[in-house]
Amino acid sequence: QQQVRQSPQSLTVWEGETAILNCSYEDSTFDYFPWYHQFPGESPALLIAIRPVSNKKEDGRFTIFFNKREKKFSLHIADSQPGDSATYFCAATYNRIFFGDGTQLVVKP
Amino acid sequence: GPKVLQIPSHQIIDMGQMVTLNCDPVSNHLYFYWYKQILGQQMEFLVNFYNGKVMEKSKLFKDQFSVERPDGSYFTLKIQPTALEDSAVYFCASSFQGAQDTQYFGPGTRLLVL
Repeated sequence: QQQVRQSPQSLTVWEGETAILNCSYEDSTFDYFPWYHQFPGESPALLIAIRPVSNKKEDGRFTIFFNKREKKFSLHIADSQPGDSATYFCAATYNRIFFGDGTQLVVKP
Repeated sequence: GPKVLQIPSHQIIDMGQMVTLNCDPVSNHLYFYWYKQILGQQMEFLVNFYNGKVMEKSKLFKDQFSVERPDGSYFTLKIQPTALEDSAVYFCASSFQGAQDTQYFGPGTRLLVL
C-alpha cells in the first residue's frame, strides 16, 4: 500500500499563476511532512516542511496547507516563475521517510 | 549549505560484478540513508543507518545489498552481485537527527548494470 499519494503527476502553469500540488497519506503516526524539489540532473533539496501541530506554513512564495483530519496537505507556489520548473516530492516521516511519486511542474513564461 | 559528496558520479559495470558506492556525509551528521531512483520516477527508500547499525530497510534492500561506515569514513552501499534491475541513480543522504530532521542529499551515483 502506497503510504503517500501525490497529484497531479504533471502540472503546467503560466508565469505569475499559483501552482497547487497535492498529497495525501495513510498513516496517522506520520509527524513531519517535508516537500523536496529536484531539478533535472540534480539531487533533491528540502524546500519547506510542516509538523501537524500547524495547519499552515509559509516561506516566501511557498505555502503548505495541512489538513490533519483528512490526512491531506498541499503545496501552493504563488507567483510561479519559470525557475520553479522542477519535480516536487512530498513526503511523510516518522522513523523513516516515505516519498510521493512526484509532480513535474512546468512554469511557462 | 551542508554538502554530501558521492563517489563515483557514474559507474558502469557488468551484471554479476560487485560495486561499492561511496558517500561522504555532512561531518556532524549521525543518520545516513540510501535511496534509489529510476529515471523520472519516485525516489525510494533503501536503508537508514545510525550508530553503526542498520535501523530500518525496505523490501528493495535485497540480500545482495550491504551498508557500512567503517571508522567514521565513507558510508558505503555495496551490491554483490549486481543485477540489471539495479541500474538507477543512488542518492545518499544524511541528517543530524532522525527522519524528522532535514535530510541533505548528495548528487547521486548513476549506476548502469549491463
